[in-house]
Amino acid sequence: QQQVKQSPQSLIVQKGGISIINCAYENTAFDYFPWYQQFPGKGPALLIAIRPDVSEKKEGRFTISFNKSAKQFSLHIMDSQPGDSATYFCAALNSGGSNYKLTFGKGTLLTVNP
Amino acid sequence: KAGVTQTPRYLIKTRGQQVTLSCSPISGHRSVSWYQQTPGQGLQFLFEYFSETQRNKGNFPGRFSGRQFSNSRSEMNVSTLELGDSALYLCASSLNTGGLAGELFFGEGSRLTVL
Repeated sequence: QQQVKQSPQSLIVQKGGISIINCAYENTAFDYFPWYQQFPGKGPALLIAIRPDVSEKKEGRFTISFNKSAKQFSLHIMDSQPGDSATYFCAALNSGGSNYKLTFGKGTLLTVNP
Repeated sequence: KAGVTQTPRYLIKTRGQQVTLSCSPISGHRSVSWYQQTPGQGLQFLFEYFSETQRNKGNFPGRFSGRQFSNSRSEMNVSTLELGDSALYLCASSLNTGGLAGELFFGEGSRLTVL
């Protein structure tokens, strides 16, 4: 059972454009939703995260939008740059649990053309 | 402050062999998690350790095992290797287990190729 569904699998945008990656989850116990960025040959690194008590969180060019009723959240990258080219993973966690198990989406390979 | 260190970075094994991967978490982090990353399945949770105790285990066969030492360093072992075990194995550490911090710090992984 895939608990976090991520789309699209790959995305190509032009420099300066907006990149949008979507995720949907099933487990209503999830209450922490991070996004990770992974460059080739590196491990994933936390980019931005949100909790469901807010509908939007912005950090620089990166924004998470969260729709609790639809059980969906998305990552928007404004003014996309070639340096943003990477694989992006959404994830979800039940922080009230006694263990630390992030459930990841399958990733989106973003390519930003110069 | 040093990040999460994984060794070895690359290794090649043959079917039926066993392998041990090592992870040194960030100093002060007591939670260590392991994930398997493959192109088809993405990042899949293997197990998590906190204070030398396995707190949770993913849906992997018993050939996959791990342990954590008193200094928080962790090892994972895969016995009787299969071709499908070829993957990037990622270790991640966290200050807490669950809770508000929420941030996992990943190492660069150990890339295992099974021939």
